[in-house]
Amino acid sequence: AQSVTQPDIHITVSEGASLELRCNYSYGATPYLFWYVQSPGQGLQLLLKYFSGDTLVQGIKGFEAEFKRSQSSFNLRKPSVHWSDAAEYFCAVGGLVDTGRRALTFGSGTRLQVQP
Amino acid sequence: EPEVTQTPSHQVTQMGQEVILRCVPISNHLYFYWYRQILGQKVEFLVSFYNNEISEKSEIFDDQFSVERPDGSNFTLKIRSTKLEDSAMYFCASSEPRDSSTDTQYFGPGTRLTVL
Repeated sequence: AQSVTQPDIHITVSEGASLELRCNYSYGATPYLFWYVQSPGQGLQLLLKYFSGDTLVQGIKGFEAEFKRSQSSFNLRKPSVHWSDAAEYFCAVGGLVDTGRRALTFGSGTRLQVQP
Repeated sequence: EPEVTQTPSHQVTQMGQEVILRCVPISNHLYFYWYRQILGQKVEFLVSFYNNEISEKSEIFDDQFSVERPDGSNFTLKIRSTKLEDSAMYFCASSEPRDSSTDTQYFGPGTRLTVL
């Protein structure tokens, strides 16, 4: 069964500092990987996704993530955090479409606080 | 930019009552999903729907739950007899895979269901 682990429940960074949110997955084949962000009272917004190809993917709002098969990781990064980035971040792994399994499996989330 | 919408944003109901949560997926999307997030817990997959039938469901999606696409635009989740443990945020999502191997799900803002 697929699973996603986000080891950090809560992270606090200063505005302007760099950010890395960790995500490890367990999956039997090449995974489809996603990062979503949830601001307070809002839904889940897609930040970026990895399906295949270049292992460094760029997303919206200046975020990027790197797929490392050897480490089963898909960490999210941003070089300089803005106060508006304070939110909860979810890593998710998707099933292979050709298996008929599209359900996303989510990690437990990392809550990001940004200090002025 | 097209988006998934959900109504109501918040629903309060008495235990044992039936509720219907409504979603309008992105108009050219073919696959529809419901997920839920109990407060403080992970986002969990409930069900996926394609071509007017359920294509995948989780263990959570028991006989108390049903889904329907009553017309060309709406997608509904019905809970027949609500229980206290059904209190959660319910997210609708939709996707339109451009080919058979990839799938990106776009989420609505959620409906917060409170069962008293």
